[in-house]
Amino acid sequence: DGGITQSPKYLFRKEGQNVTLSCEQNLNHDAMYWYRQDPGQGLRLIYYSQIVNDFQKGDIAEGYSVSREKKESFPLTVTSAQKNPTAFYLCASSGQTRPSSYNEQFFGPGTRLTVL
Amino acid sequence: LAKTTQPISMDSYEGQEVNITCSHNNIATNDYITWYQQFPSQGPRFIIQGYKTKVTNEVASLFIPADRKSSTLSLPRVSLSDTAVYYCLVAYNQGGKLIFGQGTELSVKP
Repeated sequence: DGGITQSPKYLFRKEGQNVTLSCEQNLNHDAMYWYRQDPGQGLRLIYYSQIVNDFQKGDIAEGYSVSREKKESFPLTVTSAQKNPTAFYLCASSGQTRPSSYNEQFFGPGTRLTVL
Repeated sequence: LAKTTQPISMDSYEGQEVNITCSHNNIATNDYITWYQQFPSQGPRFIIQGYKTKVTNEVASLFIPADRKSSTLSLPRVSLSDTAVYYCLVAYNQGGKLIFGQGTELSVKP
């Protein structure tokens, strides 16, 4: 089956620890995205990547880092510098390389991160 | 400042048509509007997309007036399973911004 997988579904970490969220897609999409979702605020873009070995900051990149070493994978690291990391994190991919052009984004199931 | 605004919640009954409007006053000619459906603790699912006039598929219609400052998602004959949060997304070519609305929580009652 083609799609996007995120793991784990739920993640708990102690304050001050870095944590990496996994995102894998087998849709052969060039573009991948990370969003953060908080109650009542919709989705906010953290980082996006249009091609392997390249990525751009979104609206709320501070305290996060990403890598794009393979087309299929776009892991997100939530660092200890992120002041309020508890949230629902969604990964998406798109066949379009420009984030603002016609681009149906396919979303993964999400990872709920709780920092204790 | 680009902003995408939707009503926070709506109520409906089974079998009714539901129209959810999204306001996007800074939209440009070729900026696309996309609607997603999201169930609790799941990723959003694509419903429909367009940039002018009217688009229809098997589950919804999207109406975009000439001034394009708003758009309306129309769900015909909703059922209980349509209870979800619906998000409007505007993809702004200028600056490459992707701006989601805050979501409309639709509750369909029997």
